[in-house]
Amino acid sequence: DVKVTQSSRYLVKRTGEKVFLECVQDMDHENMFWYRQDPGLGLRLIYFSYDVKMKEKGDIPEGYSVSREKKERFSLILESASTNQTSMYLCASGRYQETQYFGPGTRLLVL
Amino acid sequence: TQLLEQSPQFLSIQEGENLTVYCNSSSVFSSLQWYRQEPGEGPVLLVTVVTGGEVKKLKRLTFQFGDARKDSSLHITAAQPGDTGLYLCAGAPGANNLFFGTGTRLTVIP
Repeated sequence: DVKVTQSSRYLVKRTGEKVFLECVQDMDHENMFWYRQDPGLGLRLIYFSYDVKMKEKGDIPEGYSVSREKKERFSLILESASTNQTSMYLCASGRYQETQYFGPGTRLLVL
Repeated sequence: TQLLEQSPQFLSIQEGENLTVYCNSSSVFSSLQWYRQEPGEGPVLLVTVVTGGEVKKLKRLTFQFGDARKDSSLHITAAQPGDTGLYLCAGAPGANNLFFGTGTRLTVIP
C-alpha cells in the first residue's frame, strides 16, 4: 500500500510565525502535491513538484513556498502565517499526476 | 479553470437504501477519479475510470464514466453506516494535475 505521512495532525501557530509542514511518501513517486481544503471551496492546489528540486505553482501559491530536496520528501512553508491560512493541509503523491494518494492531513490553526 | 460540479451537496439516507451521486462538467477529461474522505482524514482513492462509457464495480459501489467523458456517477447499493463520508470526484484534463469537485457529503443513518 502507498503510504503518505504528514509531520503533524494538528498544529496551532501565532500570526507571523514561520510554519513548516512536512510530507513523506514511501513509493518512489515522482510527483508530490500540496493542497488546502476549506469548507465550500474544496481542494485547492498550492504547489506541486514533479522531480527533486523542481516545483510548480498551483492555483493559490501566494504566502507559501515549498522545498523538495529529496524525492520522498516535500515540505510546505508558510513564511509568515496569517489567520486566513487556517485550514486543512493535504499532501499527496503519485507516479502519474492524475492518480494521487493522500496523507492524513494537517489541521492548522493560526491565532 | 475546469469546473466539476457534484450533486447533491448533502445526502442523508437510511441504512439499506440505494443512492446515486453525480459529477458533471462541460470539459472533457482523459480520466476521472473518485475519492472518499472521512472526517479528519485525507481522501482515499476509490477508483479511476478512463474510457467513455466505462463501468467499474467495487463491492456495493458502481462507478460510471459518461460516454463523452464529461461526467460520472457513483451508485451505492444498500448503503451502510461505514459508507458515511465526503465523496469527491476529480478530473484530469490531460497528464497534468487533477481538478476536484467540492464533494457530496453522505450520511447513512443506522
